[in-house]
Amino acid sequence: AQSVTQPDARVTVSEGASLQLRCKYSYSGTPYLFWYVQYQRQGLQLLLKYYSGDPVVQGVNGFEAEFSKSDSSFHLRKASVHWSDSAVYFCAASPAYTGGADRLTFGKGTQLIIQP
Amino acid sequence: EAAVTQSPRNKVAVTGGKVTLSCNQTNNHNNMYWYRQDTGHGLRLIHYSYGAGSTEKGDIPDGYKASRPSQENFSLILELATPSQTSVYFCASGLGANTGQLYFGEGSKLTVL
Repeated sequence: AQSVTQPDARVTVSEGASLQLRCKYSYSGTPYLFWYVQYQRQGLQLLLKYYSGDPVVQGVNGFEAEFSKSDSSFHLRKASVHWSDSAVYFCAASPAYTGGADRLTFGKGTQLIIQP
Repeated sequence: EAAVTQSPRNKVAVTGGKVTLSCNQTNNHNNMYWYRQDTGHGLRLIHYSYGAGSTEKGDIPDGYKASRPSQENFSLILELATPSQTSVYFCASGLGANTGQLYFGEGSKLTVL
């Protein structure tokens, strides 16, 4: 069965430090991959997406992610975090062909806490 | 700016009662979705729609119905609400075609007593 795993429920980072949030997927074939962010009491917003090609994709607000087929991973990174990055981050995957509907499977989310 | 609006934002219901959660989008997207979000589970897809008049079952449809009377509106219906349906529900719209980009509403918190 297809699945997305985010092994860290909570990550704490000091402001200005670098960040990596981990994501592993289990899919037959190579899925499309996404990172979404949820700020407190809001809906989810798309940070970045990977379809194919260059394994490193850039997103908004300085975030990037790297796809690894050998490791079945899609980790999110940021070089220097800001207090406003505090949020819950969701990794998601979709089969490459779903007849037009985006059947996203979400991970359980990682809560990012930024310490001053 | 893409906009997805949900109502009500908060709802308290009694066990066995009927609950309707409404969603309106001004994006002119064909596809709409209902998810529930629970601690330890992330987001799970309940129902989705390809357009007016269409509804499809997602991964956890049991106990829920959906209705898409128009391009703009998509409702989630709990005919006989149970405490296990206490959750935060999110509506989303999207262009489909595997873009993966969904636009979410701000959520509806449902408590079933």
